[in-house]
Amino acid sequence: NAGVTQTPKFQVLKTGQSMTLQCAQDMNHEYMSWYRQDPGMGLRLIHYSVGAGITDQGEVPNGYNVSRSTTEDFPLRLLSAAPSQTSVYFCASSYVGGELFFGEGSRLTVL
Amino acid sequence: RKEVEQDPGPFNVPEGATVAFNCTYSNSASQSFFWYRQDCRKEPKLLMSVYSSGNEDGRFTAQLNRASQYISLLIRDSKLSDSATYLCVVNAMDSSYKLIFGSGTRLLVRP
Repeated sequence: NAGVTQTPKFQVLKTGQSMTLQCAQDMNHEYMSWYRQDPGMGLRLIHYSVGAGITDQGEVPNGYNVSRSTTEDFPLRLLSAAPSQTSVYFCASSYVGGELFFGEGSRLTVL
Repeated sequence: RKEVEQDPGPFNVPEGATVAFNCTYSNSASQSFFWYRQDCRKEPKLLMSVYSSGNEDGRFTAQLNRASQYISLLIRDSKLSDSATYLCVVNAMDSSYKLIFGSGTRLLVRP
């Protein structure tokens, strides 16, 4: 029962480095999304997708890119990491309008 | 004004107490409402959906007040294991696909 799988679980970057957070789901969900959560705060939506080839911006999209080439995968790319992007990142998927299933989170530190 | 607002708490209650949280939302056209639970440093998990007529699941009752634009969560007979952060989720103003989280209400249940 894989559900939503995120990798890596932990990552340390230097300012200006790039990286990709991977997210895969095996539930055939149309909807996938990325959130970030900062200490003492709720989840803020970065980008989301309602199907392969379709992506859209959330509340805090700047500094992040996404693509959705398949139903299963929804990677999040940081092109030039900044300390302000230090956060915990959650990927989630669902049927449209349904319960969100989350990955275990990826803890990113940018020095 | 934030799209979804919650009292951050913490609500500190004894075991067996009844506690209620409210969450206000700004989009009068919102159709999807949920309560999620998040334990420390873990991914959020669905507690319950909120239906127009209100709904109950064991010790938990959720209600929707469209006129005043808030949803509520009532927990009866609190258990130590109910200690967590409770997140209110509502679909966004500009898209029914975008789910926006409140910053959460922290509950501490003491022996």
